[in-house]
Amino acid sequence: DIQLTQSPSFLSASVGDRVTITCRASQGISSYLAWYQQKPGKAPKLLIYAASTLQSGVPSRFSGSGSGTEFTLTISSLQPEDFATYYCQQVDTYPMTFGQGTRLEIK
Amino acid sequence: EVQLVESGGGLVQPGGSLRLSCAASGFTVSDHRMDWVRQAPGKGLEWVGRIRNRGNSYTTDYAASVKGRFTISRDDSKNSLYLQMNSLKTEDTAVYYCARRGVGYGGYDYDDYWGQGTLVTVSS
Repeated sequence: DIQLTQSPSFLSASVGDRVTITCRASQGISSYLAWYQQKPGKAPKLLIYAASTLQSGVPSRFSGSGSGTEFTLTISSLQPEDFATYYCQQVDTYPMTFGQGTRLEIK
Repeated sequence: EVQLVESGGGLVQPGGSLRLSCAASGFTVSDHRMDWVRQAPGKGLEWVGRIRNRGNSYTTDYAASVKGRFTISRDDSKNSLYLQMNSLKTEDTAVYYCARRGVGYGGYDYDDYWGQGTLVTVSS
């Protein structure tokens, strides 16, 4: 199975900060990666797919980049509603796997 | 408006069975690949399995942890998806989500709509 490792696992930041989350794959997955945001008690929400394509309706402060084994999710200016847990997911190879998550909290 | 609504969760004893349903509206389930994803309490997301669309003969794939015990099916007349879970174990305790593979290209698609989830608790 392809392992996805996110870093950091926990991030404390302030409103207005620029933050970056990294997702590393145990083998190359081209650009077949998505990023999801999940808030407590809610279903995940798709933010980015195909590594860098912004899902419809998602604010432009979210962006994704990378290919192969290293990917990043960047939030350019944190807003209060962005404090949540973020997951990457690869769809290159079965089984589809998720990263362990990055919890983003208010400093 | 696209909506997915799961139902059928509850408390079941180890070794028991449960059938989850996912009712779709706002789109035709048979046109899309559909996933089941679960999340144990306080833990991360785990992909459970997928059923392909009509054009791909409704074939299925499963995570190793559930293969041989769980079965995904669909009823196009009811625009619904199902997850039959047999031989349940305590480690199957989780919120179960159904999700629609609705965006992407080049044959690779991603879950753009998710249900609210249904909790399955396996305990004696």
